[in-house]
Amino acid sequence: DVKVTQSSRYLVKRTGEKVFLECVQDMDHENMFWYRQDPGLGLRLIYFSYDVKMKEKGDIPEGYSVSREKKERFSLILESASTNQTSMYLCASSFLSRRWGGKLFFGSGTQLSVL
Amino acid sequence: AQRVTQPEKLLSVFKGAPVELKCNYSYSGSPELFWYVQYSRQRLQLLLRHISRESIKGFTADLNKGETSFHLKKPFAQEEDSAMYYCALSVLTGTASKLTFGTGTRLQVTL
Repeated sequence: DVKVTQSSRYLVKRTGEKVFLECVQDMDHENMFWYRQDPGLGLRLIYFSYDVKMKEKGDIPEGYSVSREKKERFSLILESASTNQTSMYLCASSFLSRRWGGKLFFGSGTQLSVL
Repeated sequence: AQRVTQPEKLLSVFKGAPVELKCNYSYSGSPELFWYVQYSRQRLQLLLRHISRESIKGFTADLNKGETSFHLKKPFAQEEDSAMYYCALSVLTGTASKLTFGTGTRLQVTL
């Protein structure tokens, strides 16, 4: 069974801190994604990566950056956390387009609170 | 730009009643649509995809290109159907396919 593991279930940080959210997948997927999930707003794509060291902006990249040094690991970085970044962050992975069938495998999420 | 609209935040039905969760999309390309579901304390997971024309857990969804809709239906709701449902549209960028999600509808099935 595919495993997408997010390192923390809950995080509490202070405004201005640099925050790292880590995600690891064990299915050798090429694509990895970071979404944030907010009530009433659904899931919004922050960044995605289709290969090691490759990344593309999603719909709401402002205030975030990402790193993918290894195929199985995709990190989301909040350079200077702000209160409006309090949210549930979901990592997902998938095969390349021609194999993926629309199926994303999601992690269990990290609930980040910025005080 | 692509867009997915789910007009209802909450849909409350009685057990045994029919269910229809609405989804409309706008996309200039050829659409690929999906329904994802998140049960309480579980991960978001794929429920069904339009291309498969399958029925999963009694749910079906038909792509209507004329009405740009992909509504999710089930004839008889069960308590275990209570969950958050997201409609999603696949968009092919130059490098990868990505999903654009709607805002979600919470389905509440009551006795």
